[in-house]
Amino acid sequence: QVQLQESGPGLVKPSETLSLTCTVSDGSISSYYWSWIRQPAGKGLEWIGRIYSSGTTNYNPSLKSRVTMSVDTSKTQFSLNLTSVTAADTAVYYCARGHWYFDYWGQGTLVTVSS
Amino acid sequence: EVVLTQSPGTLSLSPGERATLSCRASQSVSSNYLAWYQQKPGQAPRLLIYGASNRATGIPDRFSGSGSGTDFTLTISRLEPEDFAVYYCQQYGSSPYTFGQGTKLEIQ
Repeated sequence: QVQLQESGPGLVKPSETLSLTCTVSDGSISSYYWSWIRQPAGKGLEWIGRIYSSGTTNYNPSLKSRVTMSVDTSKTQFSLNLTSVTAADTAVYYCARGHWYFDYWGQGTLVTVSS
Repeated sequence: EVVLTQSPGTLSLSPGERATLSCRASQSVSSNYLAWYQQKPGQAPRLLIYGASNRATGIPDRFSGSGSGTDFTLTISRLEPEDFAVYYCQQYGSSPYTFGQGTKLEIQ
């Protein structure tokens, strides 16, 4: 059973960079696509982007100028960097597996943007 | 981008009843690439349906999906107590992948 676990700071200051890592266990990171999805409190889901195990990325155009994703297959981890954050970036951030739809999800981590 | 509109916003039903949830797309969803998820409070979404009508692994057969083009439906044939949750549709026919705003299924 594939398991995903997000990690990273729960509090980020405005204008700084949000950095999260997702660790994949009990399964291979290779030959799969991995995504980041976020959900503001009480609201719907927003796909941020995805990365293939080779490093190929696709980002949501609404966030593309601020997003960078990377993958480390040796550590079975992939990461999200979101620059110049504002309060609007406050949300639960999920990592998930899937090329198009998402069959395995992490439990989510709340990131609050506040000074 | 494709905008998904789910209706109703809230659906109040009793266990044993049939639930019908709607998802309408602003343009045709390529190859019926539509998925449905269930989300309970404090939990990550759970994949129920992909390709508009294919049940994901381990999903009970009381859940079924149908539709094509711009109109899709998730049906729960006989509601169990554990089915009361928020349901989201998601299209993956074109990037960026987008989700509907959700339908809350609550106990009447």
